[in-house]
Amino acid sequence: DAGVIQSPRHEVTEMGQEVTLRCKPISGHDYLFWYRQTMMRGLELLIYFNNNVPIDDSGMPEDRFSAKMPNASFSTLKIQPSEPRDSAVYFCASSYLRGASEQYFGPGTRLTVT
Amino acid sequence: KNEVEQSPQNLTAQEGEFITINCSYSVGISALHWLQQHPGGGIVSLFMLSSGKKKHGRLIATINIQEKHSSLHITASHPRDSAVYICAVVSNFGNEKLTFGTGTRLTIIP
Repeated sequence: DAGVIQSPRHEVTEMGQEVTLRCKPISGHDYLFWYRQTMMRGLELLIYFNNNVPIDDSGMPEDRFSAKMPNASFSTLKIQPSEPRDSAVYFCASSYLRGASEQYFGPGTRLTVT
Repeated sequence: KNEVEQSPQNLTAQEGEFITINCSYSVGISALHWLQQHPGGGIVSLFMLSSGKKKHGRLIATINIQEKHSSLHITASHPRDSAVYICAVVSNFGNEKLTFGTGTRLTIIP
Protein backbone atom coordinates (compact mmCIF):
# COMPACT_ATOMS: atom_id res chain seq x y z
CA ASP A 1 0.00 0.00 0.00
CA ALA A 2 1.24 3.52 -0.76
CA GLY A 3 0.31 4.79 2.67
CA VAL A 4 -1.87 7.80 3.35
CA ILE A 5 -1.81 10.17 0.38
CA GLN A 6 -2.39 13.89 0.68
CA SER A 7 -2.62 16.58 -1.96
CA PRO A 8 -1.46 19.15 -2.60
CA ARG A 9 1.80 19.00 -0.62
CA HIS A 10 2.09 22.77 -0.66
CA GLU A 11 -0.56 25.40 -1.17
CA VAL A 12 -0.13 29.15 -1.27
CA THR A 13 -3.25 31.22 -1.57
CA GLU A 14 -4.53 34.69 -0.93
CA MET A 15 -6.76 35.62 1.94
CA GLY A 16 -10.41 35.11 1.09
CA GLN A 17 -9.85 32.27 -1.36
CA GLU A 18 -11.29 28.80 -0.95
CA VAL A 19 -8.81 26.05 -0.15
CA THR A 20 -9.47 22.32 -0.53
CA LEU A 21 -7.13 19.73 0.94
CA ARG A 22 -7.44 16.10 -0.09
CA CYS A 23 -6.68 12.81 1.59
CA LYS A 24 -6.74 9.17 0.54
CA PRO A 25 -6.51 6.84 3.55
CA ILE A 26 -4.95 3.41 3.60
CA SER A 27 -7.31 0.88 2.08
CA GLY A 28 -9.26 -1.00 4.73
CA HIS A 29 -8.80 1.57 7.46
CA ASP A 30 -12.01 2.49 9.25
CA TYR A 31 -10.91 5.76 10.82
CA LEU A 32 -9.72 8.97 9.22
CA PHE A 33 -8.37 11.95 11.14
CA TRP A 34 -7.59 15.52 10.13
CA TYR A 35 -4.95 17.37 12.20
CA ARG A 36 -3.46 20.83 12.10
CA GLN A 37 0.05 21.68 13.28
CA THR A 38 1.28 25.19 14.07
CA MET A 39 4.27 26.48 15.96
CA MET A 40 2.06 28.11 18.55
CA ARG A 41 -0.41 25.30 19.24
CA GLY A 42 1.40 22.15 18.11
CA LEU A 43 -0.72 19.28 16.78
CA GLU A 44 -4.48 19.53 17.15
CA LEU A 45 -7.23 17.20 16.08
CA LEU A 46 -9.75 18.94 13.85
CA ILE A 47 -12.21 16.14 13.05
CA TYR A 48 -12.35 12.40 12.68
CA PHE A 49 -14.52 9.97 10.74
CA ASN A 50 -15.48 6.37 11.36
CA ASN A 51 -16.76 4.46 8.34
CA ASN A 52 -17.16 7.77 6.48
CA VAL A 53 -19.32 9.30 9.23
CA PRO A 54 -18.04 12.34 11.15
CA ILE A 55 -17.77 11.39 14.82
CA ASP A 56 -16.15 14.35 16.53
CA ASP A 57 -15.73 17.76 14.91
CA SER A 58 -15.23 19.70 18.13
CA GLY A 59 -11.75 20.69 17.01
CA MET A 60 -12.91 22.45 13.86
CA PRO A 61 -12.03 26.07 14.59
CA GLU A 62 -15.05 27.76 13.05
CA ASP A 63 -17.67 27.60 10.35
CA ARG A 64 -15.13 28.46 7.69
CA PHE A 65 -13.83 24.91 8.03
CA SER A 66 -15.72 21.90 6.69
CA ALA A 67 -14.77 18.29 6.08
CA LYS A 68 -16.39 15.52 4.09
CA MET A 69 -15.78 11.87 3.47
CA PRO A 70 -17.99 10.82 0.54
CA ASN A 71 -16.53 7.31 0.42
CA ALA A 72 -14.01 5.09 2.18
CA SER A 73 -11.12 6.17 -0.02
CA PHE A 74 -11.41 9.94 -0.08
CA SER A 75 -11.81 12.89 2.26
CA THR A 76 -11.59 16.66 1.86
CA LEU A 77 -10.97 19.50 4.25
CA LYS A 78 -12.21 22.83 2.95
CA ILE A 79 -11.53 26.33 4.23
CA GLN A 80 -13.75 29.08 2.87
CA PRO A 81 -12.83 31.89 3.09
CA SER A 82 -9.21 31.36 4.08
CA GLU A 83 -7.39 33.69 6.46
CA PRO A 84 -3.67 34.18 7.23
CA ARG A 85 -4.12 32.54 10.64
CA ASP A 86 -5.09 29.32 8.86
CA SER A 87 -1.48 28.96 7.71
CA ALA A 88 -0.28 25.63 9.09
CA VAL A 89 0.58 22.08 8.14
CA TYR A 90 -2.51 19.92 7.82
CA PHE A 91 -2.08 16.19 8.34
CA CYS A 92 -4.44 13.40 7.50
CA ALA A 93 -4.10 10.05 9.28
CA SER A 94 -5.94 6.75 9.15
CA SER A 95 -6.20 3.74 11.42
CA TYR A 96 -7.72 0.28 11.51
CA LEU A 97 -10.36 -0.73 14.03
CA ARG A 98 -11.25 1.17 17.17
CA GLY A 99 -9.54 1.00 20.50
CA ALA A 100 -6.94 3.64 19.81
CA SER A 101 -5.01 1.61 17.28
CA GLU A 102 -1.87 2.86 15.57
CA GLN A 103 -2.40 5.81 13.26
CA TYR A 104 -0.66 6.22 9.94
CA PHE A 105 0.03 9.79 8.93
CA GLY A 106 0.16 11.32 5.50
CA PRO A 107 3.01 13.63 4.51
CA GLY A 108 0.96 16.73 5.25
CA THR A 109 -0.10 19.79 3.27
CA ARG A 110 1.72 23.01 4.07
CA LEU A 111 -0.79 25.83 3.66
CA THR A 112 0.27 29.45 3.44
CA VAL A 113 -2.41 32.12 3.29
CA THR A 114 -1.11 35.57 2.40
CA LYS B 1 -2.53 23.10 32.69
CA ASN B 2 -2.13 20.91 29.60
CA GLU B 3 -3.57 17.44 29.78
CA VAL B 4 -0.31 16.05 28.40
CA GLU B 5 3.06 17.33 29.57
CA GLN B 6 6.40 16.31 28.13
CA SER B 7 9.89 16.81 29.46
CA PRO B 8 12.38 17.93 28.57
CA GLN B 9 11.30 20.31 25.81
CA ASN B 10 14.75 20.16 24.24
CA LEU B 11 17.49 17.60 24.66
CA THR B 12 20.97 17.54 23.17
CA ALA B 13 23.18 14.53 23.70
CA GLN B 14 26.29 12.87 22.33
CA GLU B 15 26.07 9.90 20.03
CA GLY B 16 25.88 6.68 22.02
CA GLU B 17 24.16 8.16 25.06
CA PHE B 18 21.05 6.64 26.63
CA ILE B 19 18.08 8.96 26.12
CA THR B 20 14.93 9.27 28.21
CA ILE B 21 11.92 11.39 27.31
CA ASN B 22 9.05 11.67 29.77
CA CYS B 23 5.32 12.13 29.35
CA SER B 24 2.80 12.81 32.11
CA TYR B 25 -0.93 13.09 31.63
CA SER B 26 -3.82 14.10 33.83
CA VAL B 27 -6.80 12.21 32.37
CA GLY B 28 -7.83 8.59 32.34
CA ILE B 29 -6.67 7.02 29.14
CA SER B 30 -7.28 3.97 27.01
CA ALA B 31 -3.97 4.25 25.17
CA LEU B 32 -0.85 6.34 24.77
CA HIS B 33 1.06 6.94 21.54
CA TRP B 34 4.64 7.92 20.90
CA LEU B 35 5.21 9.64 17.58
CA GLN B 36 8.36 10.75 15.81
CA GLN B 37 8.49 13.80 13.57
CA HIS B 38 11.59 14.19 11.45
CA PRO B 39 13.02 17.53 10.35
CA GLY B 40 11.33 17.04 6.98
CA GLY B 41 7.99 17.10 8.77
CA GLY B 42 6.73 13.54 8.34
CA ILE B 43 5.14 11.89 11.37
CA VAL B 44 5.66 8.23 12.17
CA SER B 45 3.93 6.26 14.87
CA LEU B 46 6.53 4.54 17.06
CA PHE B 47 4.44 2.88 19.73
CA MET B 48 0.89 2.53 20.93
CA LEU B 49 0.61 1.12 24.43
CA SER B 50 -1.92 0.77 27.18
CA SER B 51 0.15 -1.06 29.76
CA GLY B 52 3.63 -2.34 30.51
CA LYS B 53 6.45 -2.02 28.05
CA LYS B 54 7.18 -2.31 24.35
CA LYS B 55 10.48 -2.57 22.53
CA HIS B 56 11.38 -2.00 18.90
CA GLY B 57 15.05 -2.08 18.04
CA ARG B 58 16.81 0.55 20.14
CA LEU B 59 13.55 2.13 21.26
CA ILE B 60 11.72 1.18 24.44
CA ALA B 61 8.43 2.63 25.69
CA THR B 62 7.00 2.10 29.14
CA ILE B 63 3.82 3.21 30.80
CA ASN B 64 2.64 3.32 34.41
CA ILE B 65 -1.12 3.72 34.39
CA GLN B 66 -1.38 4.32 38.15
CA GLU B 67 1.16 7.15 38.04
CA LYS B 68 -0.15 8.49 34.70
CA HIS B 69 3.35 8.50 33.28
CA SER B 70 5.16 7.12 30.26
CA SER B 71 8.78 7.15 29.16
CA LEU B 72 10.46 6.70 25.82
CA HIS B 73 14.04 5.43 25.93
CA ILE B 74 16.59 5.31 23.15
CA THR B 75 19.65 3.15 23.67
CA ALA B 76 22.94 3.79 21.83
CA SER B 77 21.59 7.01 20.36
CA HIS B 78 22.58 7.99 16.82
CA PRO B 79 22.40 11.28 14.90
CA ARG B 80 19.58 9.84 12.79
CA ASP B 81 17.49 9.71 15.99
CA SER B 82 17.42 13.52 15.91
CA ALA B 83 13.75 14.43 15.65
CA VAL B 84 10.81 15.73 17.64
CA TYR B 85 9.19 13.06 19.79
CA ILE B 86 5.53 13.57 20.59
CA CYS B 87 3.44 11.88 23.23
CA ALA B 88 -0.32 11.64 22.65
CA VAL B 89 -3.10 10.08 24.70
CA VAL B 90 -6.54 8.71 23.93
CA SER B 91 -8.91 9.45 26.77
CA ASN B 92 -11.14 6.69 28.04
CA PHE B 93 -14.30 8.69 27.47
CA GLY B 94 -15.24 6.48 24.58
CA ASN B 95 -13.90 8.19 21.48
CA GLU B 96 -10.69 8.01 19.49
CA LYS B 97 -9.55 11.59 20.00
CA LEU B 98 -5.80 12.09 20.41
CA THR B 99 -4.54 14.83 22.73
CA PHE B 100 -0.94 15.75 22.05
CA GLY B 101 1.96 16.89 24.15
CA THR B 102 4.09 19.75 22.88
CA GLY B 103 6.93 17.48 21.87
CA THR B 104 10.57 16.99 22.80
CA ARG B 105 13.19 18.12 20.32
CA LEU B 106 16.09 15.68 20.42
CA THR B 107 19.45 16.45 18.84
CA ILE B 108 22.18 13.81 18.80
CA ILE B 109 25.65 15.16 18.12
CA PRO B 110 28.15 12.86 16.35
